[in-house]
Amino acid sequence: GQQLNQSPQSMFIQEGEDVSMNCTSSSIFNTWLWYKQDPGEGPVLLIALYKAGELTSNGRLTAQFGITRKDSFLNISASIPSDVGIYFCAGPITQMNRDDKIIFGKGTRLHILP
Amino acid sequence: NAGVMQNPRHLVRRRGQEARLRCSPMKGHSHVYWYRQLPEEGLKFMVYLQKENIIDESGMPKERFSAEFPKEGPSILRIQQVVRGDSAAYFCASSPVVGTLAKNIQYFGAGTRLSVL
Repeated sequence: GQQLNQSPQSMFIQEGEDVSMNCTSSSIFNTWLWYKQDPGEGPVLLIALYKAGELTSNGRLTAQFGITRKDSFLNISASIPSDVGIYFCAGPITQMNRDDKIIFGKGTRLHILP
Repeated sequence: NAGVMQNPRHLVRRRGQEARLRCSPMKGHSHVYWYRQLPEEGLKFMVYLQKENIIDESGMPKERFSAEFPKEGPSILRIQQVVRGDSAAYFCASSPVVGTLAKNIQYFGAGTRLSVL
């Protein structure tokens, strides 16, 4: 079935570094969502993208909706300790005679080295 | 301005007992979704409900699991005769109006962590 592949699975970086992660699919999406999950909490929406080529920022976060509509990218600039967590991409898949179902990637785990 | 509220946050059950997880959606949201998350995994869709209706339960195990969203009160995810493999974090999400792009934005609760001894 349709799935979202996130890369990398884990990242270990120094505080202050920039971070890039991506999400790809073999299927076309008309919406891309990026969520962050802190340890012990539920996912929180960071950015929503609705249009191919769209580039949207939220503070130090920037996300792009790929031109092919099969991928999306999330960048974090000048990382800080509170950026630690799991970043999930998500998108709706169209179902016959049903509302869209949102599927999630397995996440990119961001660790910041002391 | 409460978000999605889930309770309890932590639930411990012995094998064979029942687990009842509750979810109150954000104010004004009438669509509720339940997900399961295993350690080091993403979120797996279980069921999608509107008030008094199950819209999509394609992710629900065929036995022991059920969900409801009554006209009054929270949505309930019920697991009967729990087994160790049911241990996971269960998240509830709600979304706003159907028929707009915003319908696909889901707002999550903090989750219920179920441990089966």
